[in-house]
Amino acid sequence: KAGVTQTPRYLIKTRGQQVTLSCSPISGHRSVSWYQQTPGQGLQFLFEYFSETQRNKGNFPGRFSGRQFSNSRSEMNVSTLELGDSALYLCASSLGVVGETQYFGPGTRLLVL
Amino acid sequence: TQLLEQSPQFLSIQEGENLTVYCNSSSVFSSLQWYRQEPGEGPVLLVTVVTGGEVKKLKRLTFQFGDARKDSSLHITAAQPGDTGLYLCAGGDRGGGSNYKLTFGKGTLLTVNP
Repeated sequence: KAGVTQTPRYLIKTRGQQVTLSCSPISGHRSVSWYQQTPGQGLQFLFEYFSETQRNKGNFPGRFSGRQFSNSRSEMNVSTLELGDSALYLCASSLGVVGETQYFGPGTRLLVL
Repeated sequence: TQLLEQSPQFLSIQEGENLTVYCNSSSVFSSLQWYRQEPGEGPVLLVTVVTGGEVKKLKRLTFQFGDARKDSSLHITAAQPGDTGLYLCAGGDRGGGSNYKLTFGKGTLLTVNP
């Protein structure tokens, strides 16, 4: 069974631009969670989508948004990029049962100049 | 806001040595997970502990959940270069129904030198 895939793997943007990241979960998984990882703050939860609905949300500004499609693939969008948005963005998928194991993708490394 | 403090932040040891990594919080968690992350990859789950006082062993790795479910430790015996990586602990909180969240510590970066 294929693992979680994320595209693109690397991205360079400039301040003020917007970016869209994509995540394809493991086949059969209906939950996708997004995390931001930085050296200073570690891994921080952004949001979770389950069956095309946002089920849970972290403490990030509204510039960070996401959506999930009927095939469970998910996208994350960051508008008006800031230098501090440079990070590794990870998505994780699971079947959707609360508390069960999440499987992480390799991440998208975003650099904002 | 729940916080998980991991210590030490960095650890560099020689092959064959033993080590312990700690994960502490002032909050109670319903479960505690340990992950290992290698460069260029996402975290991979090593173990989940759910009962206070629980001890789990995975080959040379021993995981313990504190009696009060606020802290955990990871002990590695006879470390090998393949153990090198970022070790993350994550606390699970059943805030209510679908509001289950994982709170991650900042990690311990372990380097095992041959």
